[in-house]
Parts: sequence; C-alpha cells; structure tokens
Amino acid sequence: QQQVKQSPQSLIVQKGGISIINCAYENTAFDYFPWYQQFPGKGPALLIAIRPDVSEKKEGRFTISFNKSAKQFSLHIMDSQPGDSATYFCAASNDNYGQNFVFGPGTRLSVLP
Amino acid sequence: EPEVTQTPSHQVTQMGQEVILRCVPISNHLYFYWYRQILGQKVEFLVSFYNNEISEKSEIFDDQFSVERPDGSNFTLKIRSTKLEDSAMYFCASSDIQGAQPQHFGDGTRLSIL
Repeated sequence: QQQVKQSPQSLIVQKGGISIINCAYENTAFDYFPWYQQFPGKGPALLIAIRPDVSEKKEGRFTISFNKSAKQFSLHIMDSQPGDSATYFCAASNDNYGQNFVFGPGTRLSVLP
Repeated sequence: EPEVTQTPSHQVTQMGQEVILRCVPISNHLYFYWYRQILGQKVEFLVSFYNNEISEKSEIFDDQFSVERPDGSNFTLKIRSTKLEDSAMYFCASSDIQGAQPQHFGDGTRLSIL
C-alpha cells in the first residue's frame, strides 16, 4: 500500500518534444505528490508538487496532472531540452504517516539535440 | 539559495568498521531526514528526526544505525558495523515545517564498503 509505481523506466525524446512520465499509488491517504529531478552525482531537487485538491499545476514548462479517482499523476515536460536529461522521481507522502516520502523507482529521461 | 550540505562526498570503509556521515541542514529547518539510494535503484527512506528524537524510521534503519544532532547545525548518521550491502548513496534532507512539505536534499555521500 505504500508503493508508488512509475513508468516508463526510461524515455528518449527529441528536443522540443513533450516528455510524459506517469505514476500511480495505492494509499488513498497520500496527500502530497512532489516530483524530483536528479542529475548524476547530485541529490534529488524538487521540481514541482501538487496536492489532491487540484487536478493540474503548471510551472513554466513543467505540468503535473492529477487524477484522484484513478490514483494517478503525471509529469509533462513541454518543449523538452537536452538540459532536461536527468532521472525523474515521483513521490508521495501523508502527514499521518510522518513526513517521509515514498519514492517511485525513477525514469531516466534523455532529450536528444 | 540555502542548501543542505553533506560531507564527505565519498567514504570508503572496510566491512565491519564504523562510519559517520555528516549533514548540515538548512539553518531554519526543524525536520531532518536520511534516505538511501543503492546504485540504479530508487531513493528509500531511512529515518526522520525532530526535536532531538527520531519521529519515524523504516525497516532498513536497524540497530546498526543511529542518528544524532550533536550541536545546533550538524545532523549525523552513524553505521556501527558496516556491511557490504550498506554500499549506497546516502542523502540528507530537511524541511522547515511539519507534514507533507518540500524536502530539500543534499548532494549525498557515496559510501563504499570493501
């Protein structure tokens, strides 16, 4: 119940294209869903986050879509750039379970020039 | 922008030895965490710490692990008797308020057990 599933495992996109990464969860108590970006040799960096009271959140080229009934959420990267090439992790947490995050397994994104 | 800093960046230790990983969280943050990432795998929660005590820990965080905030700035993770399977990246994170809020991660310490 604490698991967060993520797909695809890896993704190759042409520069200017749209990158889409999907996550699914089982625990309906989760109420905070961040996306983290990780470059090689670096720690995860918060990219964007959403709570279940909204269905979409956009920050620049990054958009989270959230489907509460399906228990799914996704990250869309518009106009993907080679600099976006990194590993992306979705995560979930809930106050009642403490402050720790449950992370998805990650998606390695490669944006070709 | 304030950041979480971790030292050392790479630690090589013989199996069975004790190791201490150090973290300096963001200065006004009150909640501290350790996570582990085995090479090529997902980030896994180890322990959270607030008000000088552990608030939550995972199954990974067994008796070989301990955490401490020895002074007003450092937050440490000690592994008492390291095993080969402890080889991983260890990330420290901090957040400023309780609950499901952004956690800010350091760049990690790569621990290699020989």
